[in-house]
Amino acid sequence: DVKVTQSSRYLVKRTGEKVFLECVQDMDHENMFWYRQDPGLGLRLIYFSYDVKMKEKGDIPEGYSVSREKKERFSLILESASTNQTSMYLCASSYREGEKLLFGSGTQLSVL
Amino acid sequence: SQQGEEDPQALSIQEGENATMNCSYKTSINNLQWYRQNSGRGLVHLILIRSNEREKHSGRLRVTLDTSKKSSSLLITASRAADTASYFCGSSGSARQLTFGSGTQLTVLP
Repeated sequence: DVKVTQSSRYLVKRTGEKVFLECVQDMDHENMFWYRQDPGLGLRLIYFSYDVKMKEKGDIPEGYSVSREKKERFSLILESASTNQTSMYLCASSYREGEKLLFGSGTQLSVL
Repeated sequence: SQQGEEDPQALSIQEGENATMNCSYKTSINNLQWYRQNSGRGLVHLILIRSNEREKHSGRLRVTLDTSKKSSSLLITASRAADTASYFCGSSGSARQLTFGSGTQLTVLP
């Protein structure tokens, strides 16, 4: 079964901590994405990558960075976690730009 | 920025009834996609309709696209309790990414 795997289902961190969210896909997809999902706001794109070592900002990149050193892995980094980054984080990948996305199960992050 | 917006925000129906959800978007698109999300999980792709298509079917799902009105609808026929979920539309335009609305929460009562 092809899939996108997010390293943690639930995560609790303290304000100011550096947080790493990992995402791995096994489909040799070029494109990978990080979204956050908040009630009433839907999904908002944080960053995406269309190739190894390439990244582009989405709609809400502030406070986040990403890393894509290998094709299958796309990491989201919260440099200094803040309470307003408490959210559900969803990773996705796609074979072609603008085509259907395959999502991971999500990481519910709580920043205390 | 939100490209698509779903309507209604919440919908409650009886098992066996049809459910219709609508999506509006702002700029021209290459395709529009519908996804389903069970509570606390990731999204699952349901159906993709391209800008040159007007209607598409997949099992009990029927999607229409009206590019002149910048809108799409998702019809689920003969709904089941297991269809209870949130449904999102995502639009793909000139940019590489897909942008989503806030979703419709569908509840199917047994």
